[in-house]
Amino acid sequence: QVQLVESGGGVVQPGRSLRLSCAASGFTFSNYAMHWVRQAPGKGLEWVAVTSYDGARRYYADSVKGRFTISRDNSYNTLYLEINSLSAEDTGLYFCASGWSGWPQSYFDSWGQGTLVTVSS
Amino acid sequence: EIVLTQSPATLSLSPGERATLSCRASQNVNFYLGWYQQKPGQAPRLLIYDASSRATDIPARFSGSGSGTDFTLTISSLEPEDFAVYYCQQRGNWPLTFGGGTRVEIK
Repeated sequence: QVQLVESGGGVVQPGRSLRLSCAASGFTFSNYAMHWVRQAPGKGLEWVAVTSYDGARRYYADSVKGRFTISRDNSYNTLYLEINSLSAEDTGLYFCASGWSGWPQSYFDSWGQGTLVTVSS
Repeated sequence: EIVLTQSPATLSLSPGERATLSCRASQNVNFYLGWYQQKPGQAPRLLIYDASSRATDIPARFSGSGSGTDFTLTISSLEPEDFAVYYCQQRGNWPLTFGGGTRVEIK
């Protein structure tokens, strides 16, 4: 059974940094591209970043480019998202999701439950 | 960036009724459009991919249609568990984008 479990969220002051993690199990993690998708409170979904199955290629939404870094460790079946220079606009629930049917343009077929990031002074 | 516009924002229906949700793309995405269902406190779930193909274990009452810029998700007869928010998402052009969502609520 596929399982994705995010962690690392919390309340953070503006300008600080945070690293989110996503632990994967139940599938061959190293075979799949992985994404981060976020959702501001009461709002819709926003794609954030994707990494290829081997971590060699990474793409970002323009809204986060230069501040966010996606990475993975296939030895530990874990996906990461490093977030720098946090602002209030980054507040939201961050989901990791596996990519399916296409690279890098894919759908998201398995999702974690999300980790909440709140940026507040 | 392709903008996906979903309508209506809210759909008020009774169990057993038919639901028709629309997603319009600002540019041609061919058939590269998916639909997701999200219930409160849960992650989204992929329902439909490539405009009309049902994802694994999705009931047959969910169907999708369309191509190019106009797409429709139809729920043939609403079950109590179908009341939720539905999002469309395109993978036809970069970056990946989602629509703003349609809430299907109990009338």
